[in-house]
Amino acid sequence: NAGVMQNPRHLVRRRGQEARLRCSPMKGHSHVYWYRQLPEEGLKFMVYLQKENIIDESGMPKERFSAEFPKEGPSILRIQQVVRGDSAAYFCASSPPSGYNEQFFGPGTRLTVL
Amino acid sequence: QQPVQSPQAVILREGEDAVINCSSSKALYSVHWYRQKHGEAPVFLMILLKGGEQKGHEKISASFNEKKQQSSLYLTASQLSYSGTYFCGTNGGATNKLIFGTGTLLAVQP
Repeated sequence: NAGVMQNPRHLVRRRGQEARLRCSPMKGHSHVYWYRQLPEEGLKFMVYLQKENIIDESGMPKERFSAEFPKEGPSILRIQQVVRGDSAAYFCASSPPSGYNEQFFGPGTRLTVL
Repeated sequence: QQPVQSPQAVILREGEDAVINCSSSKALYSVHWYRQKHGEAPVFLMILLKGGEQKGHEKISASFNEKKQQSSLYLTASQLSYSGTYFCGTNGGATNKLIFGTGTLLAVQP
């Protein structure tokens, strides 16, 4: 009974490079959420997706950030031209298509921008 | 807009009780509670819904006052494993997104 899976767990990029973070939801879950946590801070909502649809992207920075959840495969959070301020832990959560919207978190990807 | 939690930090001895509060300035549909240990992912504890339904952890209880837009998490007979940072996540009902509170650091000592 695998939980939410994220990879890579740690990612180091130099300024200006691209970062791709992957998330596979729990079995039977069709809703995916991305949250960002800066060092010693709380969790900030970024985007909510269902298969092939972005439902709510009100927390996504307007530039350089994009997310997708294709029909097949994991959800991808993409950060173009990374800057030092992008260094953070990026958590993915998933929830089932019905019920109480319990969101279960993956282990996170720690992004470090040099 | 971010829910405010209180206290910011609390230190307990094993067996003592604690209450963590979460207060929102916006109308709420549900409140979700999580515990996060340093360097780890948040772990789901409890969800409280408008109308009184609850679902969650056996040893942890919580309340949700819809009119006051507040929720409280009750930790009884604390154990060392309860240590961590507790976050409330609030949902206004329009979409499923959670807005997380400022966090409460709980340290349980032997």
